[in-house]
Amino acid sequence: RKEVEQDPGPFNVPEGATVAFNCTYSNSASQSFFWYRQDCRKEPKLLMSVYSSGNEDGRFTAQLNRASQYISLLIRDSKLSDSATYLCVVNGNTGFQKLVFGTGTRLLVSP
Amino acid sequence: GAVVSQHPSWVICKSGTSVKIECRSLDFQATTMFWYRQFPKQSLMLMATSNEGSKATYEQGVEKDKFLINHASLTLSTLTVTSAHPEDSSFYICSAATSGRDTDTQYFGPGTRLTVL
Repeated sequence: RKEVEQDPGPFNVPEGATVAFNCTYSNSASQSFFWYRQDCRKEPKLLMSVYSSGNEDGRFTAQLNRASQYISLLIRDSKLSDSATYLCVVNGNTGFQKLVFGTGTRLLVSP
Repeated sequence: GAVVSQHPSWVICKSGTSVKIECRSLDFQATTMFWYRQFPKQSLMLMATSNEGSKATYEQGVEKDKFLINHASLTLSTLTVTSAHPEDSSFYICSAATSGRDTDTQYFGPGTRLTVL
């Protein structure tokens, strides 16, 4: 079983739609969780950290369910510029532990 | 702030040659740098973790004699792919982390695309 699993997609949605991605992780001791965005042939960029209480940044909302070991990302009012691959990333214990990346979920927003 | 650069951004080389990739933290001191590799349509995979002034820690399955890592200063780490072969063709990305309040934050370089002919 992969440490971090994501549906690869692609998710094809029209502009303005709401789309949600889920991710599951296998290490119950994981402490830190992130969503990264990666554009084609570019490096990943941090979109947001994910906290137990959930957090929101503009059109993006992230949720963490520790009991079920899954993380979600909700994008409201999708823009064309949201088209990218969204990577679910999990860290082990706090500190400089390795980041474990999911394979990503590809989002395509069309006009 | 927290800018990480990589050089070169892309390289094409012949099989059997060695290629050096540089990773620099431009505006902060990176106590730890990470090297990742990403094959097409796959996730980033950590290759090794390096701390300034000490030997790198390699992930299982990564040959330390083939992927030489040097972290000589707090702003520079290098990855040398020795005797490169076509199967080493990949997207190599470094990241840098610093001690302080954002200990879980890694800042990624733009990546180096290596093609071995």
